[in-house]
Amino acid sequence: NAGVTQTPKFRVLKTGQSMTLLCAQDMNHEYMYWYRQDPGMGLRLIHYSVGEGTTAKGEVPDGYNVSRLKKQNFLLGLESAAPSQTSVYFCAIGPTVRNQPQHFGDGTRLSIL
Amino acid sequence: AQSVSQHNHHVILSEAASLELGCNYSYGGTVNLFWYVQYPGQHLQLLLKYFSGDPLVKGIKGFEAEFIKSKFSFNLRKPSVQWSDTAEYFCAVNAQTGANNLFFGTGTRLTVIP
Repeated sequence: NAGVTQTPKFRVLKTGQSMTLLCAQDMNHEYMYWYRQDPGMGLRLIHYSVGEGTTAKGEVPDGYNVSRLKKQNFLLGLESAAPSQTSVYFCAIGPTVRNQPQHFGDGTRLSIL
Repeated sequence: AQSVSQHNHHVILSEAASLELGCNYSYGGTVNLFWYVQYPGQHLQLLLKYFSGDPLVKGIKGFEAEFIKSKFSFNLRKPSVQWSDTAEYFCAVNAQTGANNLFFGTGTRLTVIP
């Protein structure tokens, strides 16, 4: 999916391990978002950023941290993974013009054992 | 905060049948509305959007949606579905003022039988 690249695509972790998911964009959008997608629950916003150096909590931020040191990158960290964090994680980007859609990455499937 | 309801969790249709997926939102202010589609194993893609003007909007692949402000609804329609429309469909909303966050419904899985 041109514009938004997520790495890795798949990962299996053990409970208590840490990891970082990377989202990189080449569309120069200000806004970046991290969502998790769980069956029957749609997409829920974890954290988001309205610009370089800024982050904010979304609907389900507990257990996650984020950083946006560079405009094009938005990192999602799990400090101590828990089985409840097994999910598919999507990064999205969006312009400041709010009637324009967000663009999504291909997702990261994360399993916590 | 906004919320979005999609009451149809799983819809099964035969090819050529007509489709209507319901979407209702709750928010007191002015909103932008979106329908996204997610084909199996893929990312979300925009089908169509509404932010002002004609409440009947047309999107890609023959889909359309109608915004009815009095009912807080934005239902998705297609007159004749194809097997390739099998996917999950998400309605989403963001406010035209305040925090620019997108709120998603729980999604409707559509299965089209050839």
